[in-house]
Amino acid sequence: DIQLTQSPPFLSASVGDRVTITCRARQDIGNNVAWYQQKPGKAPKLLIYVASTLQSGVPSRFSGSGSGTEFTLTISSLQPDDFATYYCQEFYSYPLTFGGGTKVEI
Amino acid sequence: EVQLVESGGDLVQPGGSLRLSCAASGFSLSGHYVDWVRQAPGKGLEWVGRSRNKAEGYTTEYGASVKGRFSISRDESKNSLYLQMNSLKTDDTAVYYCARLSRTNSGDFPDSWGQGTLVTVSS
Repeated sequence: DIQLTQSPPFLSASVGDRVTITCRARQDIGNNVAWYQQKPGKAPKLLIYVASTLQSGVPSRFSGSGSGTEFTLTISSLQPDDFATYYCQEFYSYPLTFGGGTKVEI
Repeated sequence: EVQLVESGGDLVQPGGSLRLSCAASGFSLSGHYVDWVRQAPGKGLEWVGRSRNKAEGYTTEYGASVKGRFSISRDESKNSLYLQMNSLKTDDTAVYYCARLSRTNSGDFPDSWGQGTLVTVSS
């Protein structure tokens, strides 16, 4: 199984901040990573797939980068609606795995 | 409107069985991969399994922690998908989500999710 390690697990930030979340894989997984946002009591929402492609309808302040074993999700200017937990997921091989999550809070 | 609605969550004793349903509306489920993802209380997301589309024979994949105990099936006439869960353990307590995957040039990714259904395994 491919293990994904997200960092940091918690992130304290303010509106307008630039925020970067990292997801590291133990082996090369190409660009087969997606990023999700989840708010309490709600289903996850797809933000980015294949490492850097923005899902339709997602604000352009979200961006993704990386390949191989290191991936990043960046929020260029944090908005009040962005306080949530973010997860990466690999789509390289079965069983698929998620990172442990990063909670972005004030 | 594309919608997925999970149902069937309940309180069940360890060792018991339960079947969850994922009913789709606004589109035909047969053309899509569908994933089950779960989330234990206060914990992160865990991928449970996948059903490929009709063209790929509805073949399935499972996570390591549920393989051999859970199975995914479909009923085209009801535009629905099911997660049969047997030999349930307390660690299976979670909210279970179904997610429709849509095909892109780069693969299949979950673009629509249900609201989730809670399964509690406890004596």
